[in-house]
Amino acid sequence: GQNIDQPTEMTATEGAIVQINCTYQTSGFNGLFWYQQHAGEAPTFLSYNVLDGLEEKGRFSSFLSRSKGYSYLLLKELQMKDSASYLCAPSGYKLSFGAGTTVTVRA
Amino acid sequence: SQTIHQWPATLVQPVGSPLSLECTVEGTSNPNLYWYRQAAGRGLQLLFYSVGIGQISSEVPQNLSASRPQDRQFILSSKKLLLSDSGFYLCAWKDYRDYGTGELFFGEGSRLTVL
Repeated sequence: GQNIDQPTEMTATEGAIVQINCTYQTSGFNGLFWYQQHAGEAPTFLSYNVLDGLEEKGRFSSFLSRSKGYSYLLLKELQMKDSASYLCAPSGYKLSFGAGTTVTVRA
Repeated sequence: SQTIHQWPATLVQPVGSPLSLECTVEGTSNPNLYWYRQAAGRGLQLLFYSVGIGQISSEVPQNLSASRPQDRQFILSSKKLLLSDSGFYLCAWKDYRDYGTGELFFGEGSRLTVL
């Protein structure tokens, strides 16, 4: 089964950095996804980590430690449009999602 | 390119009425298909997934059912809706070759309100 834990809410100011942590316990692990979901919309893909370490993609980076069952998503130079829910999703033959972390960016 | 569509986008149904949400994928063959539900302020709950025509796996007991009558068609149904069925329903697909590693692509979502 899957057990995914991430904070419920985070607030930060424009231009700041936010780190969203995710811990998981899963069977048949094949990598970890992060998705972004704006209110009322479908989730969209942000990143995928299959090996340990940091993957950087523009203002967003994602880190994975498979031995610790731990990942984080790092959002840099926050913009107002980054206000959304961020979903941690460890992958097997099916994808299970954490409850999501709602990030609110304030001016 | 691949696309996924689901409909209707919004519906309001009385308790006890039936439900049918439809999802189709274009531009790919033999996709893995998924139905998720997201209650207000909650995460995504996997309801059903399918790896082929007529093959449906249910993740949670409920009054919902799913069917896959064609390779790229996935239908979510209920004979009698409950208030607790209200939520945002998302259909998604993944390339069957990307076992465990493939990105999941979502439809636009269907918002169901049961009154």
